[in-house]
Amino acid sequence: SQQGEEDPQALSIQEGENATMNCSYKTSINNLQWYRQNSGRGLVHLILIRSNEREKHSGRLRVTLDTSKKSSSLLITASRAADTASYFCATLIGYSGAGSYQLTFGKGTKLSVIP
Amino acid sequence: NAGVMQNPRHLVRRRGQEARLRCSPMKGHSHVYWYRQLPEEGLKFMVYLQKENIIDESGMPKERFSAEFPKEGPSILRIQQVVRGDSAAYFCASSPQRGPALEAFFGQGTRLTVV
Repeated sequence: SQQGEEDPQALSIQEGENATMNCSYKTSINNLQWYRQNSGRGLVHLILIRSNEREKHSGRLRVTLDTSKKSSSLLITASRAADTASYFCATLIGYSGAGSYQLTFGKGTKLSVIP
Repeated sequence: NAGVMQNPRHLVRRRGQEARLRCSPMKGHSHVYWYRQLPEEGLKFMVYLQKENIIDESGMPKERFSAEFPKEGPSILRIQQVVRGDSAAYFCASSPQRGPALEAFFGQGTRLTVV
């Protein structure tokens, strides 16, 4: 079953507007990460937020994490046409007994920024 | 420092043939993860390997799929007797360590088409 679920599934905005994407998850996590995927390409790591952090910034990106609600949001400010891509949240779950950690992805939000 | 290298980028196989997908992790990375992405879906974890060891293969189909990460050379994901349902993008990620600080770097993927 999906651990992370992004919302909305698709988002279309005008260049210069802010874009907000949300992610909800089910189990306890070690950290949560956001990735971007351009059409037909690999994933690019955007930002990692640890379970004991509440907010993190990187350039035009702002990520929040609410572990009590098991949710995170990604805000892209002053969007550009080049931000058009799919955005995925991924939660890191540890299985300490096996020494294994898994990154579990949601289905993504498809963002379209119209020039 | 080259990123994660996957080859081939595109692979076409007839039903019943074998598909071999290669992944060379980033220099200094000894942890490799394979993911599968179906169209319009997120990434699904398949297997986690370290050099010469399979750590977690809980996402691998029980039959026809195997993975290895030898002491020398790239990690190989092998799919025997491919079927149409195996058509997907297969992504490899690598990291320098495991644990709560895990940050994975992804390759560009191999797009497998079974005809």
